[in-house]
Amino acid sequence: GAGVSQTPSNKVTEKGKYVELRCDPISGHTALYWYRQSLGQGPEFLIYFQGTGAADDSGLPNDRFFAVRPEGSVSTLKIQRTERGDSAVYLCASSGQGTGELFFGEGSRLTVL
Amino acid sequence: AQSVTQLGSHVSVSEGALVLLRCNYSSSVPPYLFWYVQYPNQGLQLLLKYTSAATLVKGINGFEAEFKKSETSFHLTKPSAHMSDAAEYFCAVSETSGTYKYIFGTGTRLKVLA
Repeated sequence: GAGVSQTPSNKVTEKGKYVELRCDPISGHTALYWYRQSLGQGPEFLIYFQGTGAADDSGLPNDRFFAVRPEGSVSTLKIQRTERGDSAVYLCASSGQGTGELFFGEGSRLTVL
Repeated sequence: AQSVTQLGSHVSVSEGALVLLRCNYSSSVPPYLFWYVQYPNQGLQLLLKYTSAATLVKGINGFEAEFKKSETSFHLTKPSAHMSDAAEYFCAVSETSGTYKYIFGTGTRLKVLA
């Protein structure tokens, strides 16, 4: 596609449930990022993939959060046993080799009731 | 550790007036600096970036920013505001390792008054 695509755009779930958020990056982009944007805050880094491997997952808040990118393209962010504090907009971005620019998707808004 | 401070969570200007959005950074190494804009219900879009070349950086839609090392600032300006500039603006800094692990400020929402 022309841009970074994220699905679902909105997800409402109950506390304790499992959710998956999907990101389809720009074709050919090797680097993929997940950020989380809470209300009134700037995006916070979660994890960075270079190809299939997680090069930096230092931003994942705890072991309930996990992300994969098995074929080096689409990525899935997985959140287990969701908590109300997980409510936020989850942003995905991708970048090409050495471009110095991240291209962001429109985000997936997660609401945990 | 790197950090970014954006002074003013909300800024209002009249249409045609100067836009000035402030950003100060903290970094122990030469930073890469960015301004992103977020329109309602849209993803973040890059406005401009500083990567140690010219200190005055020109971006899209008439915006520009000046890197001032002595002031650790990277303020965003536009000479004449347009109604379409109403959006949220984020300043970001990244490490020079090339991983583009950005640290974002909390954002400034710009309102343009007719």
